[in-house]
Amino acid sequence: NAGVTQTPKFQVLKTGQSMTLQCAQDMNHEYMSWYRQDPGMGLRLIHYSVGAGITDQGEVPNGYNVSRSTTEDFPLRLLSAAPSQTSVYFCASSYGTGGNSGANVLTFGAGSRLTVL
Amino acid sequence: AQSVSQHNHHVILSEAASLELGCNYSYGGTVNLFWYVQYPGQHLQLLLKYFSGDPLVKGIKGFEAEFIKSKFSFNLRKPSVQWSDTAEYFCAVNAGYSSYKLIFGSGTRLLVRP
Repeated sequence: NAGVTQTPKFQVLKTGQSMTLQCAQDMNHEYMSWYRQDPGMGLRLIHYSVGAGITDQGEVPNGYNVSRSTTEDFPLRLLSAAPSQTSVYFCASSYGTGGNSGANVLTFGAGSRLTVL
Repeated sequence: AQSVSQHNHHVILSEAASLELGCNYSYGGTVNLFWYVQYPGQHLQLLLKYFSGDPLVKGIKGFEAEFIKSKFSFNLRKPSVQWSDTAEYFCAVNAGYSSYKLIFGSGTRLLVRP
């Protein structure tokens, strides 16, 4: 059982380049999300999805796009990278979106470290 | 908007010392509260959570946390830390019965000296 798989683990970009961080989960989780982790700021929610075809913005969505065409995959796209997007990115998922779904525990990926020069 | 404050950014303890990490949140309604931990080189994982019932919750590895609604707090405690508890600890909250926005605090780096 692989859990949440993120690729790539490391990436260096130049300002203005675009790229996609991949996230896949094999647990049939309905809920998926992307966070960025910066020193002294904890994890901040970028975008999230409660099922295929449904996405919504988190705390810091600007500069990022997402889509959810399948239950398993939730890619994060940087359209025009900026140095302020240098960070460690985490994908996380959880089962179910009914009831007190806010109590569901997140399963995290290993993270993707992105540097924008 | 809801927010989470962790008061201690860095904590250094000797083994066997007691630990208490503070966490306060700002939201007046029903909340779900979590502590996640990130050990060096490992994924973030759940330490414990509160969503209803007994406000004193117990987690893995001897950790516990108490939800005090009147103080909007969810402090993490452990009576005797070990070197293996060295990690970064994150408090998180989501507001409301079906809220999907899990908001994290800034984290506390704990270093336990042997």
